[in-house]
Amino acid sequence: KNEVEQSPQNLTAQEGEFITINCSYSVGISALHWLQQHPGGGIVSLFMLSSGKKKHGRLIATINIQEKHSSLHITASHPRDSAVYICAVNFGNEKLTFGTGTRLTIIP
Amino acid sequence: DGGITQSPKYLFRKEGQNVTLSCEQNLNHDAMYWYRQDPGQGLRLIYYSQIVNDFQKGDIAEGYSVSREKKESFPLTVTSAQKNPTAFYLCASRGTVQETQYFGPGTRLLVL
Repeated sequence: KNEVEQSPQNLTAQEGEFITINCSYSVGISALHWLQQHPGGGIVSLFMLSSGKKKHGRLIATINIQEKHSSLHITASHPRDSAVYICAVNFGNEKLTFGTGTRLTIIP
Repeated sequence: DGGITQSPKYLFRKEGQNVTLSCEQNLNHDAMYWYRQDPGQGLRLIYYSQIVNDFQKGDIAEGYSVSREKKESFPLTVTSAQKNPTAFYLCASRGTVQETQYFGPGTRLLVL
């Protein structure tokens, strides 16, 4: 069964802390996506990756194909980073399978 | 500005009523998608369309219908057969297979 699991479900941290959110999947994939959902509900795509590592500002996404695992890191976290972060994967087709999300709260 | 628009932001449905959610994109994308989001669950695919005049059922298509008469438009109708329609509905589109999906702002549907 094609599954995507994220951890932790909820994460609260102090401003400035280094944040790591994890995503594991069950079988081989063609691509993995990290998405950010703000309190109003809108979703923004942060990264799409199939190997290695990508960086955009304070956000870093890595993927280990052999271990079927990806991490999203946030350096120097800020209250405006508070959101739900969602991992989604393409299991060899164009449809996305989504994790249930990680709710991140950064306290000033 | 290029993007995806969804309307309305909030929609109320009476028992036995069909309602239609609008999704429009000006990104010139071929593929469009409808997802449903419930609390504590990941997004689930309702329908998707890879090209005009063609669409496929997703994982939870029962009680929903779509049309794709124009490239930029992919409306979703929630029919009276959908017994639990209260949810947040998100529309998305994608250009090439190598690109990520772009999401609209969503429509929250509530049953009166």
